[in-house]
Amino acid sequence: QLVLTQSPSASASLGASVKLTCTLTRGHSSYAIAWLQQQPEKGPRYLMKVNSDGSHSKGDGIPDRFSGSSSGAERYLTISSLQSEDEADYYCQTWGTGIRVFGGGTKLTVL
Amino acid sequence: EVQLVESGGGLVKPGDSLRLSCTASGFTFSNAWMNWVRQAPGKGLEWVGRVKSRIDGGTTDSAAPVKGRFTISRDDSKNTLYLQMNSLKTEDTAVYYCATEAVYCSGTSCPGYLDYWGQGTLVTVSS
Repeated sequence: QLVLTQSPSASASLGASVKLTCTLTRGHSSYAIAWLQQQPEKGPRYLMKVNSDGSHSKGDGIPDRFSGSSSGAERYLTISSLQSEDEADYYCQTWGTGIRVFGGGTKLTVL
Repeated sequence: EVQLVESGGGLVKPGDSLRLSCTASGFTFSNAWMNWVRQAPGKGLEWVGRVKSRIDGGTTDSAAPVKGRFTISRDDSKNTLYLQMNSLKTEDTAVYYCATEAVYCSGTSCPGYLDYWGQGTLVTVSS
């Protein structure tokens, strides 16, 4: 079964960096994922696709502060030089034949 | 600029039906695979279902909780995606979003990431 696991919460200080993790279930470690950002009271926004080799492709207008990487079954989203507007929920999403799957989301607090 | 605007949400009773619409602009709608995603109050994102482009077969897939009750369709002449929801339950209460799938890719080998989203429409099912 295709499942994505995320930590429920994370926090980091203004101006610092944070690395969020999304873990694929065993047997699906070759899958690419997408990262989405959802600011309070807004619809989700696509950030980037991250492949199993760590390469990533960003969506329109996504700042260089956002980057993606991979290791085994883990996919990462790193946000550097944290700003107040980065405080949001971050979801990973993947896909299989006839199914699309979301992780449970990580609530990022910028201190 | 890609724009998606959902409409049709509201307050209904358990067992009722409701049809949501998503009007698209800024891209070639007829070539796009389109998705519905929902978010219950205070909860995470949940995939509802997807319709392929007509040229790729126009078939649909749905998540288990809505299979047999919800139907996804599209009218390419109106650039509009629909979600027909029947036999609604209280647990269907959520904001419903439409989203494009890899909108700048065409064909059946495209990745399935959801890249453009609407602002959502709220459906409340309550007696």
